[in-house]
Amino acid sequence: GQQLNQSPQSMFIQEGEDVSMNCTSSSIFNTWLWYKQEPGEGPVLLIALYKAGELTSNGRLTAQFGITRKDSFLNISASIPSDVGIYFCAGQPNTGNQFYFGTGTSLTVIP
Amino acid sequence: NAGVTQTPKFQVLKTGQSMTLQCAQDMNHNSMYWYRQDPGMGLRLIYYSASEGTTDKGEVPNGYNVSRLNKREFSLRLESAAPSQTSVYFCASSKNTGELFFGEGSRLTVL
Repeated sequence: GQQLNQSPQSMFIQEGEDVSMNCTSSSIFNTWLWYKQEPGEGPVLLIALYKAGELTSNGRLTAQFGITRKDSFLNISASIPSDVGIYFCAGQPNTGNQFYFGTGTSLTVIP
Repeated sequence: NAGVTQTPKFQVLKTGQSMTLQCAQDMNHNSMYWYRQDPGMGLRLIYYSASEGTTDKGEVPNGYNVSRLNKREFSLRLESAAPSQTSVYFCASSKNTGELFFGEGSRLTVL
């Protein structure tokens, strides 16, 4: 299946710091999605991107659809303890209905 | 707003037993999906249904069957459970292209 490389695998940061993570694919995607998952719950959609170069914000979160259409980035500004969780990227190619997922970035925020 | 509802939330089976995971969505979405999530493996697609009456294999379909009962409901069946099927199972739905929404998950343990 399609592999998405998501990095970093884990991050330990101080409260107030900014966070960056990214996802790359070997093929072109039409849609990039970013999710957050907390323990015992399902992934919750944070941001959806549909056009190359698109930059979209959701509060302190900003995500970008890479211009090559093979990558995407998520930034979290001024992190707070409730940002703790696992962040997943997902992409959908231009053919078919499948979504492919990265392996996640585990974020720990130290107060 | 119910969104995607999965039942049961927890289940323990013995090897060889069968069971069905139920999923229903109330967003009038065309596509529905079943994923499994294992530590360090991210989300892997088991089966999906692009529309009522159609189903397709995903990345890890062996040992599972699915039924798209109607537009709202998509069930996942384990005919003869194996310990390797111990996992958290997520149902999701989308409008074909665009946003993918998840249920809260079903935690299955096979002894």
